[in-house]
Amino acid sequence: SQTIHQWPATLVQPVGSPLSLECTVEGTSNPNLYWYRQAAGRGLQLLFYSVGIGQISSEVPQNLSASRPQDRQFILSSKKLLLSDSGFYLCAWSVAVTNQPQHFGDGTRLSIL
Amino acid sequence: QKEVEQNSGPLSVPEGAIASLNCTYSDRGSQSFFWYRQYSGKSPELIMFIYSNGDKEDGRFTAQLNKASQYVSLLIRDSQPSDSATYLCAVNHHTGNQFYFGTGTSLTVIP
Repeated sequence: SQTIHQWPATLVQPVGSPLSLECTVEGTSNPNLYWYRQAAGRGLQLLFYSVGIGQISSEVPQNLSASRPQDRQFILSSKKLLLSDSGFYLCAWSVAVTNQPQHFGDGTRLSIL
Repeated sequence: QKEVEQNSGPLSVPEGAIASLNCTYSDRGSQSFFWYRQYSGKSPELIMFIYSNGDKEDGRFTAQLNKASQYVSLLIRDSQPSDSATYLCAVNHHTGNQFYFGTGTSLTVIP
């Protein structure tokens, strides 16, 4: 069966510090991968998605970037965090065919001080 | 106009009642429709999905899809306090790559 791992679970970072969040998927090949952010009490905001190694689509221009160095690894990064980057970051995967759902990792709660 | 719209609620129902959650979408090219449950502080978990017009039942949950009217709904029968959560509606277009989420409806089941 497929599983998705996301870490760390919680993170507290000062403004201006760098960020690296990692997500890996097991049990499937060539998944579509996604990064979302959810602000407190709000909906899901799609940040990036990837349909293959090295292929990244950005949905929202900001100080975040994403990379996919391996088929089942997706990394979210920032060189300098802003206060507005606080939120709940979710990684998700889906198979690359229609009619199939996304599956989410447990999320990372990021607080910027 | 948002891709997917949901009434934010909160929706309150007594224990044992039927909870009805609704979702409308704007793109007629949408092909697949998903319902997720999200407990406070947790990640969304898939409840069920539907892609054909009509009803689809899974235990106490029934998803209903009407493509002509562009709405999808989720019925929860015999609601339990453990059903109290935010319910997210999502749609998927024919390319299969992008999912569009509503902002969610908060449901409270009162014992």
